[in-house]
Amino acid sequence: DAGVIQSPRHEVTEMGQEVTLRCKPISGHDYLFWYRQTMMRGLELLIYFNNNVPIDDSGMPEDRFSAKMPNASFSTLKIQPSEPRDSAVYFCASSLGGGNTIYFGEGSWLTVV
Amino acid sequence: GIQVEQSPPDLILQEGANSTLRCNFSDSVNNLQWFHQNPWGQLINLFYIPSGTKQNGRLSATTVATERYSLLYISSSQTTDSGVYFCGGPGGGADGLTFGKGTHLIIQP
Repeated sequence: DAGVIQSPRHEVTEMGQEVTLRCKPISGHDYLFWYRQTMMRGLELLIYFNNNVPIDDSGMPEDRFSAKMPNASFSTLKIQPSEPRDSAVYFCASSLGGGNTIYFGEGSWLTVV
Repeated sequence: GIQVEQSPPDLILQEGANSTLRCNFSDSVNNLQWFHQNPWGQLINLFYIPSGTKQNGRLSATTVATERYSLLYISSSQTTDSGVYFCGGPGGGADGLTFGKGTHLIIQP
């Protein structure tokens, strides 16, 4: 079975541009998580969904970040406008049930210049 | 969410050596998971282990929930074991994970 699929794998963009990261969770999983990894802050949970509904977005750093999950097989994380401090690896992950084994995608490596 | 502390932060070993990585958490947990991040950045789930002991090949993990810690054992280390090992406990909402800062393991040939 395919794992969690993320795109793009790498993106370099200029400050002020809009960035959209995409995620397809493992089929049948009902939880989807967005994490961000930086050297300074480590792995941080940004937001997670259950059955396509956002449950906790307290980790979203500011209003420039937004996330949607229009259906069970697709989610987006959008940054508008992007800033150099947003440079990080953004991971999407999914699980079957809450509090169960979490599976990560390969990450989207974002560089904002 | 809980606080998660991992030790040691860095570990350098020769191939064939054994190692023990520790994860302390600030409160009781019903969800404790270990991950390996390889040098290419992939995060691989090793164990879901809220309590007890599990083994998978050369790796095993033990969580003592009453004493708020978990251990990851790696036996007969191979160079492919290099990377960063993270443990995660409940936090960031009821179902998300809060991660420690990781143990950076280097296995030298």
